[in-house]
Order: sequence, then C-alpha cells, then structure tokens
Amino acid sequence: GIQVEQSPPDLILQEGANSTLRCNFSDSVNNLQWFHQNPWGQLINLFYIPSGTKQNGRLSATTVATERYSLLYISSSQTTDSGVYFCAVDSSASKIIFGSGTRLSIRP
Amino acid sequence: GAVVSQHPSWVICKSGTSVKIECRSLDFQATTMFWYRQFPKQSLMLMATSNEGSKATYEQGVEKDKFLINHASLTLSTLTVTSAHPEDSSFYICSARGVMKGRSGEQYFGPGTRLTVT
Repeated sequence: GIQVEQSPPDLILQEGANSTLRCNFSDSVNNLQWFHQNPWGQLINLFYIPSGTKQNGRLSATTVATERYSLLYISSSQTTDSGVYFCAVDSSASKIIFGSGTRLSIRP
Repeated sequence: GAVVSQHPSWVICKSGTSVKIECRSLDFQATTMFWYRQFPKQSLMLMATSNEGSKATYEQGVEKDKFLINHASLTLSTLTVTSAHPEDSSFYICSARGVMKGRSGEQYFGPGTRLTVT
C-alpha cells in the first residue's frame, strides 16, 4: 500500500521562527490534507491541497503531485502553533492514510 | 460549516462491558464516515470505512465482531466496542466526508472519544 512519510519527526523552535514540514508519499494520490492536532486531540483542517499552493495567514502549503511531496510552511511561529501536524492522503483505493506526524514545540 | 460532533468525549467502563460512540455530521450530509484509533504519541490508524446504508469495510487486523459500526443515516455513524478489555483503551476519532463542490475528498474530524477500560 501507499506509504506516507513526514519529516522531521520533532521540531523545537523559538517563537517568531519559520519552519517547513515535509510529507512524502510513495504513489499517486487523489487528495491530500494537512491537519493540526491540538493538545486536546482535536484535528483541525489546515489545507485541502491535492496539488498547487494555498495560503492562509501565516500558513501556506504546496503539493507537487508529480514528485509526490507536499510542504507546509509556518511563518512567525507562535506558541499556539505547538502540537502535532499530520498529512493524510487519499489513494486510488480511497483509503485515507496518515503520516506519522511532526511534533512541533514553539518556545516563548 | 462542516462540523462533526462525537459523543461521549470520554468514557470509563469496566472490562467486559460494551461502549457505544456516536459520530454526527451537524451541517452536511456525510456519504462516508471513517473510524480511527490513536495510541499515545502515535499517528491515527484507520479502523474502518462506512458508507450510509451499507456494511462497513474493516481494515486488516480489526475485528469486525468486536468493533461494530453502523451508518444508518447520512448524518450518524456509531462505533460499539463490544466486551471491552483494557487493551481497547485508546483515543477513538471519527471523520466524515460529504459531497461538496470542489472539495469532495475533504474529511472533517470529530473531537475524539477517550476510552478507558478498567
């Protein structure tokens, strides 16, 4: 089945720093989403981005489907950005596969 | 828009009892609902996929007789953990996917249910 790898697994930054999170997938996908899981476990939709580039405030994402990767950019990090970031892909079999996540810690 | 609720948010039960978790799409019709479990500091693992009015499709290794899934309407799916044991303790999360113009593949997640079996 399709493999989804996220890097880095852990990231510790000072408030105000920028970061780039990466998601690689091993096969073509129909859809790709980025989520932020907050400390209470709620998954918050960040981007629905099967291809192209989108921006929402300090966050932006780019998916290059032909090269099988997606990037999530966080600029001017805030402590509230802390948590786990997941990418999830929907393969041709319509199964949703999650990456292992990137645990982001923003220090004040 | 696209809100998914889950109830209860947490539950503690004794070994051998059954627990039912409800997942509702509040402002859209969910043609497909998914159930996941998540262990501490791990990723989400897909347990099953259910389409309204049909039997759920379980992932390999997930016991369908232990984790009963019902998707009786376009806004409600339930997961029943039967004869729960301590190893079933986990964080269970549902998600829903509807038919939305230009975003038909997008999933929306419920807040999760933390199950503790004593």
